[in-house]
Amino acid sequence: GAGVSQSPSNKVTEKGKDVELRCDPISGHTALYWYRQSLGQGLEFLIYFQGNSAPDKSGLPSDRFSAERTGGSVSTLTIQRTQQEDSAVYLCASSLGGNNEQFFGPGTRLTVL
Amino acid sequence: KNEVEQSPQNLTAQEGEFITINCSYSVGISALHWLQQHPGGGIVSLFMLSSGKKKHGRLIATINIQEKHSSLHITASHPRDSAVYICAVRLIQGAQKLVFGQGTRLTINP
Repeated sequence: GAGVSQSPSNKVTEKGKDVELRCDPISGHTALYWYRQSLGQGLEFLIYFQGNSAPDKSGLPSDRFSAERTGGSVSTLTIQRTQQEDSAVYLCASSLGGNNEQFFGPGTRLTVL
Repeated sequence: KNEVEQSPQNLTAQEGEFITINCSYSVGISALHWLQQHPGGGIVSLFMLSSGKKKHGRLIATINIQEKHSSLHITASHPRDSAVYICAVRLIQGAQKLVFGQGTRLTINP
């Protein structure tokens, strides 16, 4: 079946603009995660959704970052007033539940000029 | 000090060699993941384990919960195994998020 998909694959934006990144998880997966991988850095957790529970937003680096998950499926990560340090690959993953293997999407490479 | 430490950071070996990548962690965990990331490519989950040992093809992952240590082994290594291997742990306390090691860049020369 189809894996996790993300769009766009690449996004170039100017400093100060808002961007939206989309994630389509594997059908039936109740858990969805957003991660960030900055150049030369490791992966870092951003936010986690599980079913109808309140999301774990503990990894969001600032209040410019927000995410939502509509209908328990598609998720959108929004970055407002982008800064150059926001440049990174943003990865989405989904799993059957919070304690299961995670399947990663191909990522969105964000470049803030 | 990072909660998850991997060693070595970089590893170059010849085709056919036995490869070991180590991961140590300092926190209580409920599970440990090994991930593979190819250059320019996405991330693939190799193993998720909470005890003992798992094997898939030429890959073997072990974990020692008491010593807070895991190893990833590759037997009969091949150039296509060249990738970054990432260890990640799921914390016991506080949600389901993963905490990642810095990764080990493996290069297998023919």
